[in-house]
Amino acid sequence: DIQMTQSPSSLSASVGDRVTITCRASQGITNSLGWFQQMPGKAPKRLIYGASSLESGAPSRFSGSGSGTEFTLTINNLQPEDFATYYCLQHHRYPPTFGQGTKVEIK
Amino acid sequence: QVQLVESGGNVVPPGGSLRLSCVVSRFTLGIHGMHWVRQAPGKGLEWVASLRYDGTTENYSDSVKGRFTVSRDTSKDTLYLEMNSLRPEDTALYFCATGASRSDFWTSFSHWGQGTLLIVSS
Repeated sequence: DIQMTQSPSSLSASVGDRVTITCRASQGITNSLGWFQQMPGKAPKRLIYGASSLESGAPSRFSGSGSGTEFTLTINNLQPEDFATYYCLQHHRYPPTFGQGTKVEIK
Repeated sequence: QVQLVESGGNVVPPGGSLRLSCVVSRFTLGIHGMHWVRQAPGKGLEWVASLRYDGTTENYSDSVKGRFTVSRDTSKDTLYLEMNSLRPEDTALYFCATGASRSDFWTSFSHWGQGTLLIVSS
């Protein structure tokens, strides 16, 4: 199975900050990676697909980069509604595997 | 807008069985694969099972293989997850999510339902 190592597991930030979350795959997954935002008790919502493509309707302050084994989600100008848990997911090869999650909290 | 609605969650004793359903709308189940993903209380997301777009191939996580079965009824626009020999560690919120089609890889995990809760407890 492909392991997805996501870091950090949590972070504290202020409104207006830039936040970076990283996922590392245990083997190459080309660009078969998505980033998801999850609010407590709610379904995950995809923000980024194909490692760097912004989901329709997702705010442009979210961006993704990377290919192969190293991937990054960047949130520019953090907004109050962005405080949530974020997950990466690889679906290059079965089984699909998620990162452990990053909880973004208010400083 | 694509909509997925899960149902069937309940409290079940260990060793019991249950079937979850996921009704899709504004989405063609017959040409798209589908996934089940679960989330135990306070934990991260875990992929559980998938059905290929043509309905010919099922994939399961090691933790549910041999106990869970994914299927669909395209005439009812419904995906199912049949769960047997349930264990306390199967307790989770179960989500269905869209899968890829033959021509579009990126619909995989693009839309999710709101989830249905399974509690395995005596």
